[in-house]
Amino acid sequence: QKEVEQNSGPLSVPEGAIASLNCTYSDRGSQSFFWYRQYSGKSPELIMSIYSNGDKEDGRFTAQLNKASQYVSLLIRDSQPSDSATYLCAVYGNNRLAFGKGNQVVVIP
Amino acid sequence: GAGVSQTPSNKVTEKGKYVELRCDPISGHTALYWYRQSLGQGPEFLIYFQGTGAADDSGLPNDRFFAVRPEGSVSTLKIQRTERGDSAVYLCASSLLSAGGGGELFFGEGSRLTVL
Repeated sequence: QKEVEQNSGPLSVPEGAIASLNCTYSDRGSQSFFWYRQYSGKSPELIMSIYSNGDKEDGRFTAQLNKASQYVSLLIRDSQPSDSATYLCAVYGNNRLAFGKGNQVVVIP
Repeated sequence: GAGVSQTPSNKVTEKGKYVELRCDPISGHTALYWYRQSLGQGPEFLIYFQGTGAADDSGLPNDRFFAVRPEGSVSTLKIQRTERGDSAVYLCASSLLSAGGGGELFFGEGSRLTVL
């Protein structure tokens, strides 16, 4: 079992809609959780961090964490074409930040 | 500059050659990470430095890979006897705190290595 799983294929959403991304992780002792955005040919950049159960909102982004279910999600409200990118879920444990393979989001104008 | 700097941005080499990739972190950042990213995959952890020492090198795939950070700032990733499977983008990231301490990782633009 991979440390961080992102299983959804590419996600196409109309401009203005909500994009929903999911991630599960295997290490129950993990304490820090992150979402990174990566544009094609560019390096990852941090967009959200979350450390406790529940929701955390930052602008159009909401991260949700459920440690009992070992589940992290990201909602992007009012999706814009500039949100088209790959979104990487990352989980800290055992001195390392482990990444999922990412989910590609395409926002259609 | 203000960000993480990686050189070279592109490196093409022949199978069996030796390669060095350099990372200059953000000034004052004590934590430095090396990751490798293949097409369509997320970054894969290689090694983590806290100061001058390698706090965790368990992600290095084999003994052809080695990394140093002698003065606690610039780091060099060294790959001996390169193989075609080493082709990837090598990402360096630095952080004021370790990721477990809530520190945000700042990534460089990466070094794209192609082994022919």
